[in-house]
Amino acid sequence: DVKVTQSSRYLVKRTGEKVFLECVQDMDHENMFWYRQDPGLGLRLIYFSYDVKMKEKGDIPEGYSVSREKKERFSLILESASTNQTSMYLCASSRTGLYGYTFGSGTRLTVV
Amino acid sequence: DQQVKQNSPSLSVQEGRISILNCDYTNSMFDYFLWYKKYPAEGPTFLISISSIKDKNEDGRFTVFLNKSAKHLSLHIVPSQPGDSAVYFCAARRRSGGSNYKLTFGKGTLLTVNP
Repeated sequence: DVKVTQSSRYLVKRTGEKVFLECVQDMDHENMFWYRQDPGLGLRLIYFSYDVKMKEKGDIPEGYSVSREKKERFSLILESASTNQTSMYLCASSRTGLYGYTFGSGTRLTVV
Repeated sequence: DQQVKQNSPSLSVQEGRISILNCDYTNSMFDYFLWYKKYPAEGPTFLISISSIKDKNEDGRFTVFLNKSAKHLSLHIVPSQPGDSAVYFCAARRRSGGSNYKLTFGKGTLLTVNP
């Protein structure tokens, strides 16, 4: 069964901390994505990557960075966590040219 | 600039009746449309899709209709079941460079099916 695995289901971090959210996929997909989901705002794209060491900004990249050193792993980094980054974070992957994304189960991050 | 719009934040229907979820889009470059279903504390899962060259696609209880001239699509669930209660996201695909694509999502509609 194909999988996108996010390392943590729930995280609580303090304001100002550097936070790493990890995502691993076992489907050999080229493309990986980070979204956040907030009530009333839907799914908003933070960053995405079409290849190793390659990244592009999505719609709301401010306050975030990403790293893709290996094809299967895509990390989201909150450089200095703030309370407005409290959210559900969803990682997804897809194969180039195909239409669907496979999502992970999400990480519920609370910044206090 | 919201390119994919789901104007109903929530919808409540009785078990056994039809659920109709609507989605509008503004970008004529979208070539493929998808519906995802999301339960609380889980990631979205793919439900059904439709290419822009078609106007209908059916999969069991789920049917998606596409009206390109109106830039409107809808998801019909017949008959609705309590297990269908979830947030439904409409998504549209467009080419993002080379053979790469990007999905744009709507804000979602919370469907509640009452027993």
